[in-house]
Amino acid sequence: DAGVIQSPRHEVTEMGQEVTLRCKPISGHNSLFWYRQTMMRGLELLIYFNNNVPIDDSGMPEDRFSAKMPNASFSTLKIQPSEPRDSAVYFCATAGTPGNIQYFGAGTRLSVL
Amino acid sequence: QKEVEQNSGPLSVPEGAIASLNCTYSDRVSQSFFWYRQYSGKSPELIMSIYSNGDKEDGRFTAQLNKASQYVSLLIRDSQPSDSATYLCAADGSSNTGKLIFGQGTTLQVKP
Repeated sequence: DAGVIQSPRHEVTEMGQEVTLRCKPISGHNSLFWYRQTMMRGLELLIYFNNNVPIDDSGMPEDRFSAKMPNASFSTLKIQPSEPRDSAVYFCATAGTPGNIQYFGAGTRLSVL
Repeated sequence: QKEVEQNSGPLSVPEGAIASLNCTYSDRVSQSFFWYRQYSGKSPELIMSIYSNGDKEDGRFTAQLNKASQYVSLLIRDSQPSDSATYLCAADGSSNTGKLIFGQGTTLQVKP
């Protein structure tokens, strides 16, 4: 199994630009989680989906952030417009069923200049 | 606010010693607990899960759970320099949705 696949691995953009992060879950996993990690705040849960349905988006910091899961094989996290304070590593993680172990992708390191 | 608390460290131990990492959680109904290891610049990877009170051993790693005290620990025996990393403790939320609450992590340094 290829594991959770995230793209791009690195993204450098200018303030005000739109950023789209992508995640392909492990086949058969029906829970998907988006996290953000910074030195100051640690690992923060932004939003998660069960069976492609958003369950809890209370961690999404602002309306500039949005996430979609159009099918079981793909999810996106979009930031529009991006700001320097959005600079962080964004992880996608998936789990087989609720309550099961989460497996993390390699992450996307985002730098907003 | 449901929380998982860890000492940020760094915890420094000599090679070959036992490293003891501790974690407390606030939600009494949490049932599942996990230890993840994260090397610098890498993603978290699971090293142990524990669901019942007591000890669970896997190679050099032992996880301990005490639900009455709301306490989870990870012991690493015969610590190696390659064990130097940040260790994240996580507990499941009470709604059985798969959501995990992560601690801030403890940085472990194993000195040769």
